[in-house]
Amino acid sequence: TQLLEQSPQFLSIQEGENLTVYCNSSSVFSSLQWYRQEPGEGPVLLVTVVTGGEVKKLKRLTFQFGDARKDSSLHITAAQPGDTGLYLCAGPISGGSYIPTFGRGTSLIVHP
Amino acid sequence: DAGITQSPRHKVTETGTPVTLRCHQTENHRYMYWYRQDPGHGLRLIHYSYGVKDTDKGEVSDGYSVSRSKTEDFLLTLESATSSQTSVYFCAISGGTDKETQYFGPGTRLLVL
Repeated sequence: TQLLEQSPQFLSIQEGENLTVYCNSSSVFSSLQWYRQEPGEGPVLLVTVVTGGEVKKLKRLTFQFGDARKDSSLHITAAQPGDTGLYLCAGPISGGSYIPTFGRGTSLIVHP
Repeated sequence: DAGITQSPRHKVTETGTPVTLRCHQTENHRYMYWYRQDPGHGLRLIHYSYGVKDTDKGEVSDGYSVSRSKTEDFLLTLESATSSQTSVYFCAISGGTDKETQYFGPGTRLLVL
């Protein structure tokens, strides 16, 4: 059973389009991290959200943590080819181990 | 970028041979982790360490062992490599005030023939 479900699994879009990636669970998380992984490299942290309802912005990327801390979303405005990569969400379950659970990721391709 | 290196970066080996992968950090972080990443499975935790000589198993630990004799080094050993252990292996570290956030190394691509 996958504790963190990410959707969609794959996304192929044209430059300039907007998109949203979802990370859902039935469990409550004490925090959620979003990572981006480019081919041949390790995941790189984009953001950590901690408080229910929190919204964080990183240039054209907007991250939201659900009010109940069970889900999160990543919205990209006007996607660019440089946004291409695997987007992973991860987090430790509230009241559990500090070790994060990872979703399987959303693979994004942005065509010029 | 966090100072994490992995060696080797690529390795081809034969079934039945032992293989050791090394993770080295310069951040003095307490926690270190080994993951494998496979298509359709995402990142799966193999073993982790919460201090020198303190290690524990993750969800896919069978066939793997680890050692941590110094803060900066975390070794992953495949005792007798099998083709099912062909994968990309990532080391990660965490620590300080935010131990839940991990910083990853560049990965080791292992092919077991």
